[in-house]
Amino acid sequence: GQQVMQIPQYQHVQEGEDFTTYCNSSTTLSNIQWYKQRPGGHPVFLIQLVKSGEVKKQKRLTFQFGEAKKNSSLHITATQTTDVGTYFCAGNNNDMRFGAGTRLTVKP
Amino acid sequence: NAGVTQTPKFQVLKTGQSMTLQCAQDMNHNSMYWYRQDPGMGLRLIYYSASEGTTDKGEVPNGYNVSRLNKREFSLRLESAAPSQTSVYFCASRPMNTEAFFGQGTRLTVV
Repeated sequence: GQQVMQIPQYQHVQEGEDFTTYCNSSTTLSNIQWYKQRPGGHPVFLIQLVKSGEVKKQKRLTFQFGEAKKNSSLHITATQTTDVGTYFCAGNNNDMRFGAGTRLTVKP
Repeated sequence: NAGVTQTPKFQVLKTGQSMTLQCAQDMNHNSMYWYRQDPGMGLRLIYYSASEGTTDKGEVPNGYNVSRLNKREFSLRLESAAPSQTSVYFCASRPMNTEAFFGQGTRLTVV
C-alpha cells in the first residue's frame, strides 16, 4: 500500500495567524481526503480531491492537490480557536491509509 | 440513523486475555476498516474489508484477526492481549472510495 507522509507533526500558532499542513505520497493517488479530529473525538471528513491540480475552498480552508497527484496541502487563513485539532490526509485507495497528522494548537 | 457503532467504549484487559471489538454500520456501506491510534502515531490501519466476504491486512495486522460477519458488521479480535496493544481503536465505513464515517472509538488498556 501507499505510504503517506505528513508534516509538520505539530504546529502552534497565535490566533489570527495562518496554518499549513502538507501531505506527500510515495505513489500516485487516485484521490486524497482530508479529515479533522478534535481532541478526544473521532476523525470527521472535510473534503476529497480528485483531479490533478485541483483547488477547493471551504470558508477559511483551502485544499490543493498536486499536479502529479502525489502531494496535497491544507491551508487555514486567520486561525481561530475552533480550528484546534489534528488534521489528517488519507490516500484514497482501497486500503485508505492516513498520514500521521498535524496537531494544531491555537493561542487566543 | 446511528451511523457507525462501536462496542465497548472502554475496556481494561489483563495480559493474555482475549476479546472482540464490535463494529456495526447502518449505512449499507461496502468497505469497513479498523485503525488503532497511539499518541503521536496517527491512525494506523490494522485490517480492512473492501466488500462483504473479503478482508485484507493493513499496516499493523500482527496480533489481530477480523471477521466481516455480514455487510453491516466487522469485528476485531485480540486473541492474547499484550500491553503494546493499549490504544484507541476506531472502526470506519464508507461506500466505494468516498467519505469515511468513523465510530466513537474503543479505549483499550492492557495491563
